Formats: sequence, C-alpha cells, structure tokens
Amino acid sequence: QVQLVQSGAEVKKPGSSVKVSCKASGGTFSNYAISWVRQAPGHGLEWMGGIIPLFGRANYAQRFQGRVTISADESTSTCHMEVSSLTSEDTAVYFCSCGFVGEALDHWGQGSLVTVSS
Amino acid sequence: QSVLTQPPSASGTPGQSVTISCSGSSSNIGKNFLYWYQQLPGSAPKLLIARKNQRPSGVPDRFSGSTSGTSASLAISGLRSEDEADYYCAAWDDSLSGWVFGGGTKLTVL
Repeated sequence: QVQLVQSGAEVKKPGSSVKVSCKASGGTFSNYAISWVRQAPGHGLEWMGGIIPLFGRANYAQRFQGRVTISADESTSTCHMEVSSLTSEDTAVYFCSCGFVGEALDHWGQGSLVTVSS
Repeated sequence: QSVLTQPPSASGTPGQSVTISCSGSSSNIGKNFLYWYQQLPGSAPKLLIARKNQRPSGVPDRFSGSTSGTSASLAISGLRSEDEADYYCAAWDDSLSGWVFGGGTKLTVL
C-alpha cells in the first residue's frame, strides 16, 4: 500500500516562496502520476499540477503556470512543489496525491498547511 | 467557479437514502471516468468510487455511483452519522489537460 508523507506546516511572508515535499513509500515511485491539490480554508479542492516521475515533465493548471514548479526525485521517491510570489490567497492546505497513470488519485498525503501572513 | 457542478449541500436522516449529482461536459465526464471522494473534517480526501463506478476495498456497498452522458451521481443508502462529510466528484479533463473537481457537497445527517 502506497503511503505519502508530506513536509510540515509553514508560515511565509507575502512575496516569498514555499517548497512542500511529499515522500512516497510502499510502491514503485516511477509507476505513478503525482498531483498536487490545494484547499483554501472553507473551500473545495483545486488541482494545481502534476508529474509522472518516469517521464519527468510536469504539467500545470493554467492559473498556476509560471508560479508553481513541480519536480520529482526518483532516487528518494520524493516529489516537491514550489509556489513563488505568495499572497494571502495562497493560504491553504496543500495535498499531494498519486495514482497509476490514467487512473484515479488513489493515495493522498496528510496535507501541509501553508499560511501566508505579514 | 468549478468545472464540475455539484449542489453545495444535501441532508438526510439516519437510514434514509440521499443522492448527490455532478454535472460536467464532453471533455471531462463525457470522455473520462468520474470519481467520487469523501472528505471527513480535518482529513485528506478518500477515494470512494473508482473507475466504472467500482468501490475500492473497504468502501461499504451503501455507496454507489452512476454515470450517464456528461452527468454523474453518488447514491448513499442507509445513511449513518459517520457519513457526514464533504463529497467531491472529479474527472480528468482532456481540454484542460488536468484534473477538475466539483465544488463539493456538504452532507448533513440530521
């Protein structure tokens, strides 16, 4: 059974960047497609982008293009997501999730709370 | 504004049945599998209904999904207090080349 463990909560200043990590265990990392989904307080789920470690190329939701970078390190079975130019609207819980390519987002990390505040 | 449309709320009493709808388009539900997730307060989403409306291991058969054209629905029978949660539909969207979610439906068990 795949388990995803994310990095801890962060507090950031507006204009700065944050990098959240997601370490996978219990499965073959390169077999999966990994996505990042965020949830602002009191709001629904929003897909930000994803990556297939086997191919190494990420794709992003339009509204996050240019501001979000997703990468994967097969040697450590870890996926990273960096968001730059943070504003208060980026305050949210960020989830990593994975599933077989072409299948559902089957496994989820516990979530990482990012708070953007001056 | 979510790409998939769900009612914001639903409710029922213990033992009753409730249905949650999800409406999309030809680029998402009309072409790809529709999935349902349950999110309990303070927790990560959990896959409830998988491809072809199948239930992952451990999901009670009180939960069932159906799809027709560009719409889908989640039916919950024999409502229990522990079913009180937020429910999201999701699908891959070929036009957007990404996952799209419904806005979520908050289910209250009265």
